[in-house]
Amino acid sequence: AQSVTQLDSQVPVFEEAPVELRCNYSSSVSVYLFWYVQYPNQGLQLLLKYLSGSTLVESINGFEAEFNKSQTSFHLRKPSVHISDTAEYFCAVSERGKKSSGDKLTFGTGTRLAVRP
Amino acid sequence: KAGVTQTPRYLIKTRGQQVTLSCSPISGHRSVSWYQQTPGQGLQFLFEYFSETQRNKGNFPGRFSGRQFSNSRSEMNVSTLELGDSALYLCASGQGSDSPLHFGNGTRLTVT
Repeated sequence: AQSVTQLDSQVPVFEEAPVELRCNYSSSVSVYLFWYVQYPNQGLQLLLKYLSGSTLVESINGFEAEFNKSQTSFHLRKPSVHISDTAEYFCAVSERGKKSSGDKLTFGTGTRLAVRP
Repeated sequence: KAGVTQTPRYLIKTRGQQVTLSCSPISGHRSVSWYQQTPGQGLQFLFEYFSETQRNKGNFPGRFSGRQFSNSRSEMNVSTLELGDSALYLCASGQGSDSPLHFGNGTRLTVT
């Protein structure tokens, strides 16, 4: 079984400031890691994923996350946020390469990023 | 490519009634998963279907059921609705555990 912890329920930040959203996970098996973003009244959109290879992954809109196996973390960062980044961000894990586990995702409780002008 | 489509977007039902939600996955995706999102419990996994077979099930009562058709479209049914079933129900489709899930915009169910 896996679990995901997002310690910060809300992160207020000023526009153009850097931000880090923290995610730690617990699992007895190897996992894939994801960050999803949810805007009001919408579903979840995949922001970025770590499946294998380089531990630093980047999204097209300036976010990046680094997989740290020893610290079981997958923190999300952006060097300069915009008002439009205001949304809820969810960290999620799934079991690596196990067909029987299917596509089940275990989510954290989410972090609401509030960008102020 | 069209995304995951969920219908209806909004639904209001009365306690004791039943409801059916529909999900059309991305073309070519054979896996469909359902999640319940509430302010108190967050995102919780309901079940997953692959090639018309339930492959995984979460910890929800038997009132929650689903099925998948040969064209990969899926339906979720909730019987004997309770107030606590009010939530955003999200459907996601995927190609397997090595690829990410793609979510629809959800069906917001309100039980009165």
